[in-house]
Amino acid sequence: AQSVAQPEDQVNVAEGNPLTVKCTYSVSGNPYLFWYVQYPNRGLQFLLKYITGDNLVKGSYGFEAEFNKSQTSFHLKKPSALVSDSALYFCAVRDKTDSSYKLIFGSGTRLLVRP
Amino acid sequence: NAGVTQTPKFQVLKTGQSMTLQCAQDMNHEYMSWYRQDPGMGLRLIHYSVGAGITDQGEVPNGYNVSRSTTEDFPLRLLSAAPSQTSVYFCASRRDNGNTIYFGEGSWLTVV
Repeated sequence: AQSVAQPEDQVNVAEGNPLTVKCTYSVSGNPYLFWYVQYPNRGLQFLLKYITGDNLVKGSYGFEAEFNKSQTSFHLKKPSALVSDSALYFCAVRDKTDSSYKLIFGSGTRLLVRP
Repeated sequence: NAGVTQTPKFQVLKTGQSMTLQCAQDMNHEYMSWYRQDPGMGLRLIHYSVGAGITDQGEVPNGYNVSRSTTEDFPLRLLSAAPSQTSVYFCASRRDNGNTIYFGEGSWLTVV
């Protein structure tokens, strides 16, 4: 069974500092991995995805994520946080061999960037 | 570009009432799904469809019905609302072999 773990309910960081939001996953086959962001009272917006190829994936708004197969992790990073990055972040996984294309989400991590 | 459109945005129901959350997409996507979002639990898949006429259950299907008579529409029906169904509901779609999923803006449902 597929699963995603986001071990931190909330991450606090000062503006201008680097940020990391953690994600680990479990799938029986090879994974497709995603990060989504949700602003208050809005739907989820796609940030970036790992399908294959380079382990470092670059996405929207200066975010990037590194796929680490041995640690089954896909942590979201940004070199310099902005106050406007404050939002709820979701990691998601899909098993490449799952023909139903189901996407499984983590519980979410709230990012709070202090001015 | 409309994308994925959900209605209504807000709804209050009494226990036992029925209602339908509407979802429509204009991207000709084959795959559509419904999720519910609850605090601390992320998004959980309720039902999904891989094409018109085909639906299947997700993680938490009990109390909900869906149908997919057209590619564009994927309504979610609550047959007899319960307070446990108080949640935020998101409809989503993507191409059947695509990987990026597009979400609607959400429907806030309160069952009293």
